[in-house]
Amino acid sequence: AQRVTQPEKLLSVFKGAPVELKCNYSYSGSPELFWYVQYSRQRLQLLLRHISRESIKGFTADLNKGETSFHLKKPFAQEEDSAMYYCALGTASGSRLTFGEGTQLTVNP
Amino acid sequence: GAGVSQSPSNKVTEKGKDVELRCDPISGHTALYWYRQSLGQGLEFLIYFQGNSAPDKSGLPSDRFSAERTGGSVSTLTIQRTQQEDSAVYLCASSSPGRSATQYFGPGTRLLVL
Repeated sequence: AQRVTQPEKLLSVFKGAPVELKCNYSYSGSPELFWYVQYSRQRLQLLLRHISRESIKGFTADLNKGETSFHLKKPFAQEEDSAMYYCALGTASGSRLTFGEGTQLTVNP
Repeated sequence: GAGVSQSPSNKVTEKGKDVELRCDPISGHTALYWYRQSLGQGLEFLIYFQGNSAPDKSGLPSDRFSAERTGGSVSTLTIQRTQQEDSAVYLCASSSPGRSATQYFGPGTRLLVL
């Protein structure tokens, strides 16, 4: 069975500092990895997906199949990055996503 | 265009009562998903509809939970004989088919069972 682990429930950094939100997954097949974000009083939305290999709002994430990780990184955090971040895994069997428990990121001024 | 909508936004009910939660997906999206978000938990998959295929019900926690999707559009999630542990935010999402497709989420229905 597939599983997504986000080891940090809470993460607090200062503005301008680098930030890394960790995500590890367990899946025997070929994974699709996503990061979804939920800003305060907004609905959950896609931030980025590994297949696109793009940078969104300064965030990047690289799929490391050897370490089964998909950590989210940003070199200089901004206050507007404060939100709940969810790592999600899609599998070959369909479009349903398996989500991690989420990391609440707070960027302090 | 309009996004995914859900109703009601909040629902308070008494233990043992039945509740119905509604989801209107984005027009043209053939895939529809229901998830549950409990306090301090991640999003838990409940059920997935894709076109006219049989739904994937593997995430439904008990036979008190059921869902249907009429005409390939609107979906209703029904919880019978609600229990306090059913209290959660119920999220609906829709997407185009395919595992790489972006899922677009609704605002959720916050259910409180007293």
